[in-house]
Amino acid sequence: QAGLTQPPSVSMGLRQTATLTCTGNNNNVGSRGAAWLQQHPGLPPKLLFYRNTNRPPGSSERFSSSRSGNTASLTITGLQPEDDADYYCSAWDSSLSAWVFGGGTKLTVL
Amino acid sequence: EVQLVESGGGLIQPGGSLRLSCAASGFTVSSNYMSWVRQAPGKGLEWVSGVNNGGKTYYADSVKGRFTISRDNYRNTMYLQMNSLRAEDTAVYYCAKLESSGYDFDFWGQGILVAVSS
Repeated sequence: QAGLTQPPSVSMGLRQTATLTCTGNNNNVGSRGAAWLQQHPGLPPKLLFYRNTNRPPGSSERFSSSRSGNTASLTITGLQPEDDADYYCSAWDSSLSAWVFGGGTKLTVL
Repeated sequence: EVQLVESGGGLIQPGGSLRLSCAASGFTVSSNYMSWVRQAPGKGLEWVSGVNNGGKTYYADSVKGRFTISRDNYRNTMYLQMNSLRAEDTAVYYCAKLESSGYDFDFWGQGILVAVSS
């Protein structure tokens, strides 16, 4: 099943701003939006945003998300060492009747 | 508090079978969309199977016909029966709950390792 497209890696400096992207199509990101997950090594994924821009309780306000057409974006401001992690987007694909993930972006905070 | 605890993983030979369990607390499994997601060593997340709150099931092409998802409403537990296991099924398997719309994964278990090798 085709997945969503994310850049494999992004590197930014401490206290800078990073923007990660996730591109799908009209059957997934473009219709029902995307979710963003953060994963540190050895731990399960943690939800950052759902249905594009909904933030779960306890999620840091340094994170924000948006969508334009078939592309979802996650922006992290004031980068901290703990933001160094893998970030995945996910979406429901109505044509596949399946959930799809992006390949993940490794964010390195320099 | 929502909790998901997976069990039943381990080392299995190619062609063998395993049943994973996901014991839930803090919510009712049968009232929510639930899913299994796996992650091969050093790789990204791959959706495996899901069940909606009406009992309709969904499978990734890679496991269709080999894996079966089910749930026990009395035990508030979800299962993944895995048959005809292959080396490429080796991964950490996560149980995940979806939020109310049924589109996005909001809570995850800690994961359980399934290793398929002779």
